[in-house]
Amino acid sequence: DTGVSQNPRHKITKRGQNVTFRCDPISEHNRLYWYRQTLGQGPEFLTYFQNEAQLEKSRLLSDRFSAERPKGSFSTLEIQRTEQGDSAMYLCASSLEGASPLHFGNGTRLTVT
Amino acid sequence: GEDVEQSLFLSVREGDSSVINCTYTDSSSTYLYWYKQEPGAGLQLLTYIFSNMDMKQDQRLTVLLNKKDKHLSLRIADTQTGDSAIYFCAESRGSNDYKLSFGAGTTVTVRA
Repeated sequence: DTGVSQNPRHKITKRGQNVTFRCDPISEHNRLYWYRQTLGQGPEFLTYFQNEAQLEKSRLLSDRFSAERPKGSFSTLEIQRTEQGDSAMYLCASSLEGASPLHFGNGTRLTVT
Repeated sequence: GEDVEQSLFLSVREGDSSVINCTYTDSSSTYLYWYKQEPGAGLQLLTYIFSNMDMKQDQRLTVLLNKKDKHLSLRIADTQTGDSAIYFCAESRGSNDYKLSFGAGTTVTVRA
């Protein structure tokens, strides 16, 4: 079990640029979640996939955000036209189907200057 | 999340027990979790409890659930310096809705 892997660990970008993050879940997990965590807060749900289907999106996920999981394995989260308010830690988690706990990666810390 | 509340800070002496408290508002919460986050790292699952249980023990960790009062606690026995971290309480509703709602976290500082 190699755990949930996220890349890159850190990303610094200028306002207005696009960024893409990658998440590799635990191999047998068919559910994959994205969360955002700002300083001093708990993680907030963004979206989740069951296999390749995106089943739910939070209202936090503006139209500048898009997530994909094309083959039901790894996932990408893209932010277009980044804003300073997008600066946060982006966490990915995966789980088995049903009442199975979520296992988190170490996150990608995004800084928008 | 506004549905899950935790006290923000706890200071404890090494070797003492720590008790971290959490309250939640959603009576349909079915699963309750405790996660630990160290600086710059992701969330580590510590333990979880189903709402039909009132206690779960796992080595130094004891979880107590009072469903009537919607109160969850995590007790860490013999607290060590390595236990210094932020602890998050989280809940999910189950019934095909397994995403988690988190509290703001309790920062635990262990002093020698």
